Amino acid sequence: NAGVTQTPKFQVLKTGQSMTLQCAQDMNHEYMSWYRQDPGMGLRLIHYSVGAGITDQGEVPNGYNVSRSTTEDFPLRLLSAAPSQTSVYFCASTPTGATSGNTIYFGEGSWLTVV
Amino acid sequence: KQEVTQIPAALSVPEGENLVLNCSFTDSAIYNLQWFRQDPGKGLTSLLLIQSSQREQTSGRLNASLDKSSGRSTLYIAASQPGDSATYLCAVCHSSYKLIFGSGTRLLVRP
Repeated sequence: NAGVTQTPKFQVLKTGQSMTLQCAQDMNHEYMSWYRQDPGMGLRLIHYSVGAGITDQGEVPNGYNVSRSTTEDFPLRLLSAAPSQTSVYFCASTPTGATSGNTIYFGEGSWLTVV
Repeated sequence: KQEVTQIPAALSVPEGENLVLNCSFTDSAIYNLQWFRQDPGKGLTSLLLIQSSQREQTSGRLNASLDKSSGRSTLYIAASQPGDSATYLCAVCHSSYKLIFGSGTRLLVRP
């Protein structure tokens, strides 16, 4: 029972490089989201998706793109990495919206350092 | 704008002690409030969820309460154990897609 799988676990990028953080879930959940966690701060929503083909911006979307071509996958793309994007990134999924009270499942995180 | 605050930021207690973690939020128009546990280098694990119409939820040694009118929630941990050492995060749900998180309380239970 894999749950939410994120890759890579660790990544070091140079300023200006691009990369994709992968997220996959095997629970057939409609809702998926990406958060970033910075020291001393709570998790902040970057982008989210309510189903295949539907994405929208969260609280801190600048510098990131997402797509949702399948129910299972929700990749996060950094277009031109900046040191301010050094953070821990978490992908999450839930069957329906957070208001329903369903359990939200998180991946184990991706540690990204931009130098 | 909703803000979620957790106090204290860090807590160290001897094993066996009962303890309370606090979470406050500025906007009472929430659907639910959740408590999560985060172990170092790991993702978040959901512990308890309280719907806005509820006052508390219990799971084993954990009890979470919600006072929506005052914008407060507490997580009570009974008879703490070293295995309870982790960071505890609370989050309020404002809409179907977004949780707003506090910055967490880092708990250390000393043997």
